[in-house]
Amino acid sequence: SAVISQKPSRDICQRGTSLTIQCQVDSQVTMMFWYRQQPGQSLTLIATANQGSEATYESGFVIDKFPISRPNLTFSTLTVSNMSPEDSSIYLCSASENPGVNTEAFFGQGTRLTVV
Amino acid sequence: QKEVEQNSGPLSVPEGAIASLNCTYSDRGSQSFFWYRQYSGKSPELIMSIYSNGDKEDGRFTAQLNKASQYVSLLIRDSQPSDSATYLCAALGTGYSTLTFGKGTMLLVSP
Repeated sequence: SAVISQKPSRDICQRGTSLTIQCQVDSQVTMMFWYRQQPGQSLTLIATANQGSEATYESGFVIDKFPISRPNLTFSTLTVSNMSPEDSSIYLCSASENPGVNTEAFFGQGTRLTVV
Repeated sequence: QKEVEQNSGPLSVPEGAIASLNCTYSDRGSQSFFWYRQYSGKSPELIMSIYSNGDKEDGRFTAQLNKASQYVSLLIRDSQPSDSATYLCAALGTGYSTLTFGKGTMLLVSP
């Protein structure tokens, strides 16, 4: 299984600022994903990060608020822009090695973001 | 809208008992299903995947899939206090692209 390193592990940010979260995979992966998990809740997919093309955003999430980069097959970043306290959450990076019926997704350690 | 439903729990079982976790899904086209374990403050960890109807066993864990009933379950035999966590069920949607997660079932195993 792929090993995923995510940083920072946590941060406290002022409202109105932006934070960029980095996700590094130890092998080339086809698909990378960004999730948000609010306290006591399940995972909500923000977007799929596609190498060589723009990210695909889920309903309720927009590129201006959550710009994503995917410069190669092992790395992606998620930026949380113009933050407000409502953005306080855990952000998780995930990766799948090969899309298909047997694909398995693995997660980074997560970034715990608090906006004050 | 694709949905995965789980009982939020908590499900409480004594040490050594069998814990049974259940999940239903709405997307009849889903082909692949996964169980993740998430300890408090940690990220989800994949523990089982199942793709075909029937049972799949891995150590103390057995995943069961019934596509006709759109039902997935996870049995944990000889439950240990270290199994206490939230268990997330996920379904891979039609097109094998994105996972839909349930809200998770909290399992508490008492010594």
